[in-house]
Amino acid sequence: SQQGEEDPQALSIQEGENATMNCSYKTSINNLQWYRQNSGRGLVHLILIRSNEREKHSGRLRVTLDTSKKSSSLLITASRAADTASYFCATEKETSGSRLTFGEGTQLTVNP
Amino acid sequence: NAGVMQNPRHLVRRRGQEARLRCSPMKGHSHVYWYRQLPEEGLKFMVYLQKENIIDESGMPKERFSAEFPKEGPSILRIQQVVRGDSAAYFCASSPLGTKNIQYFGAGTRLSVL
Repeated sequence: SQQGEEDPQALSIQEGENATMNCSYKTSINNLQWYRQNSGRGLVHLILIRSNEREKHSGRLRVTLDTSKKSSSLLITASRAADTASYFCATEKETSGSRLTFGEGTQLTVNP
Repeated sequence: NAGVMQNPRHLVRRRGQEARLRCSPMKGHSHVYWYRQLPEEGLKFMVYLQKENIIDESGMPKERFSAEFPKEGPSILRIQQVVRGDSAAYFCASSPLGTKNIQYFGAGTRLSVL
């Protein structure tokens, strides 16, 4: 399996519920970033969490990082229909310079 | 402050033609990255450039693909003799510094090869 795998592949929830997406990776990293992509559009940066950080918040977003388990989670609280998008985690590996390795993404659908 | 600008947004080419994709980084950013996204997949790294230098091209196919980032003007990703398998969305990202920084993405160029 490849670096940066998200699960679940797809998630469907009702407005107001929380959505949790997970990401696993295999090698040591400098940082892990979460991006959102609306259908047919570019990527929007959400949060960057560094390898020495364990948790970060931004508005309704909460990201955790567990380097011992090589995993991260993205929590979106009080979801809205506008949160419907694909969410990708991307890792910057210690040994690969600044290029990002993306997972396959989680497709989140928030039903009104 | 304009974001990363890519053009064209959509590009249609016939097999054997050349495709040129342009990327203007955000103001003040001197690091540019190109990624390719196939349908229903994540982005795959292709090349990382600084002004007039290719830093990492480990993700570039060995043939037909080239990239440049001249001292003046946008970064160019060039695909010669396109084939149907080149159909994808190509994204450019820029950052002010190299490692350990946020990469800001453009809206992408969607290449369709007929």
